[in-house]
Amino acid sequence: QVQLVQSGAEVKKPGASVKVSCKASGYTFTSYYMHWVRQAPGQGLEWMGIINPSGGSTNYAQRFQGRVTMTRDTSTTTVYMELSSLRSEDTAVYYCATERGANRGVDAFDFWGQGTMVTVSS
Amino acid sequence: DIQMTQSPSSLSASVGDRVTITCRASQGISNYLAWYQQKPGKVPKLLIYAASTLQSGVPSRFSGSGSGTDFTLTISSLQPEDVATYYCQKYNSAPLTFGQGTKVEIK
Repeated sequence: QVQLVQSGAEVKKPGASVKVSCKASGYTFTSYYMHWVRQAPGQGLEWMGIINPSGGSTNYAQRFQGRVTMTRDTSTTTVYMELSSLRSEDTAVYYCATERGANRGVDAFDFWGQGTMVTVSS
Repeated sequence: DIQMTQSPSSLSASVGDRVTITCRASQGISNYLAWYQQKPGKVPKLLIYAASTLQSGVPSRFSGSGSGTDFTLTISSLQPEDVATYYCQKYNSAPLTFGQGTKVEIK
């Protein structure tokens, strides 16, 4: 069965970086684009960007351009999301999610990781 | 970028009531619209994709309709386990924007 297992909670100081991992299993890793979505406490869902696990190409939301980097390791079927220059407003749960259909790049998300809480505090 | 606006932001209804949530896109998105349910403290769950196609395993009391700019999610008979926040999402092109959410409670 499809599983997306994310790394554990992180506490970071303002200005630092955080790298969250998402290990995929139960499907062909390179066939399904992976997205990152975050949710600040008590707030809605915010799309951050997408990575194609096959070639590694990415597309980031404008507001995160220059601060976010998404990478993948096909040998371990793991996707990473690194966010730099952290500020308190980046405190949120970060989710990875895969698309319904293979090789699409624009599709609904049918499997989600369990979420990783990132707290930014001095 | 296309904006997604949901209404209402919250609602309270009785068990058995018919509940309708609206999602409006600032530009046409054909039927590239998904609905998600997020229960408190849980991960979002896909309910509907392609505006009206029910995801496997989702109860048939949930339905979606619309195309272009106006979409609706309907719960035909509200159940206690439907207490959650519901989000629409456009996915015709990046950015894959979500609506701000509609919180559904039991009266």
